[in-house]
Amino acid sequence: GAVVSQHPSRVICKSGTSVKIECRSLDFQATTMFWYRQFPKQSLMLMATSNEGSKATYEQGVEKDKFLINHASLTLSTLTVTSAHPEDSSFYICSARESGGAIEAFFGQGTRLTVV
Amino acid sequence: AQSVAQPEDQVNVAEGNPLTVKCTYSVSGNPYLFWYVQYPNRGLQFLLKYITGDNLVKGSYGFEAEFNKSQTSFHLKKPSALVSDSALYFCAVRDQAGTALIFGKGTTLSVSS
Repeated sequence: GAVVSQHPSRVICKSGTSVKIECRSLDFQATTMFWYRQFPKQSLMLMATSNEGSKATYEQGVEKDKFLINHASLTLSTLTVTSAHPEDSSFYICSARESGGAIEAFFGQGTRLTVV
Repeated sequence: AQSVAQPEDQVNVAEGNPLTVKCTYSVSGNPYLFWYVQYPNRGLQFLLKYITGDNLVKGSYGFEAEFNKSQTSFHLKKPSALVSDSALYFCAVRDQAGTALIFGKGTTLSVSS
């Protein structure tokens, strides 16, 4: 299947700083990418849908000024956690769907964010 | 609204025995259904999907799932479990007009030797 690369896999940052997570589709173009958050032993909660060249669509309860999403190209979407707090510590996973109406989405390997 | 239910938090089976991980869904219209597996601190690996056609779908690593429209179910099965199958399994759905996948809460499969 297609490959989605997410970087970094782990990051530790201090409270108040910002962290950027990258999601790249390596062998296909993705008009749409998705960002999920996963708490320990819980399901994936959709945070936002990222569309290339336009503003992301955020799910209810997700602060768009807190979680900045940029999808500047067909192969790259970034999630920036701004002014991070310990409660932002979580596992963040992106997924990408190939342009042209593909049904299946492919997932990155996830980023473990720890805010200290 | 779309939703997925995985009624079991954990499923325990002995190696060599058949396994079933249950999933039911709610969606308007015809569903697209997926199963993914997750190992600790890793992303999701695709196992199989149902789009249309045969109700029995075969996927990776010997897994299969049966789409049952009347029961709105899409249970994951494997005839003979391996210890290496131990992981967290997610069922997901989206409708044909939708975009993002909606996930169930996940089921931890534990296969004992």
